[in-house]
Amino acid sequence: EDQVTQSPEALRLQEGESSSLNCSYTVSGLRGLFWYRQDPGKGPEFLFTLYSAGEEKEKERLKATLTKKESFLHITAPKPEDSATYLCAWVPSYNTDKLIFGTGTRLQVFP
Amino acid sequence: SQTIHQWPATLVQPVGSPLSLECTVEGTSNPNLYWYRQAAGRGLQLLFYSVGIGQISSEVPQNLSASRPQDRQFILSSKKLLLSDSGFYLCAWSVISDTQYFGPGTRLTVL
Repeated sequence: EDQVTQSPEALRLQEGESSSLNCSYTVSGLRGLFWYRQDPGKGPEFLFTLYSAGEEKEKERLKATLTKKESFLHITAPKPEDSATYLCAWVPSYNTDKLIFGTGTRLQVFP
Repeated sequence: SQTIHQWPATLVQPVGSPLSLECTVEGTSNPNLYWYRQAAGRGLQLLFYSVGIGQISSEVPQNLSASRPQDRQFILSSKKLLLSDSGFYLCAWSVISDTQYFGPGTRLTVL
């Protein structure tokens, strides 16, 4: 069965303490891999799309990378405002009209 | 620029009552539209998606239904709500098979 697994479920960081979030997948054909940020009580906000192994994208303190089996969201020198739940999702090649989401990593950054 | 609206923002309904949630998109034509549900501590679950007026695909068997009466309007309905229908309902749009952009969501509590 196609699955997306995110780890860790929760992460507590001190401000400035860099770390990485993991999204691993066992899918039969990857059309694209997406990262979203979700604040409590709000809809997910789009961050990145990755389409092929080796691809990297950056935005401020965030960098997303993709291999054949997993994606990482690297957070460099995080600030308290980076606290949120980070979701990854993939688009299967057999149905490009749908996203399949992981359960997310809840990140808390303390000053 | 494109904007997506959902209403109501919050809703408390008794078991067995009907439901109607509305989603509208501005600034784009012929979008793909999606309904997701996010239960507490769980990932986003795709409920329905639509690639055009009157075209609805259902992902999960349930007592919910969806309709698309206009190009940029997507409605989620139920004739009789169950306790298990409680959750955070999100509408999203995309152009063809690209990035999905989410609305602000509706928090539904069934008592």
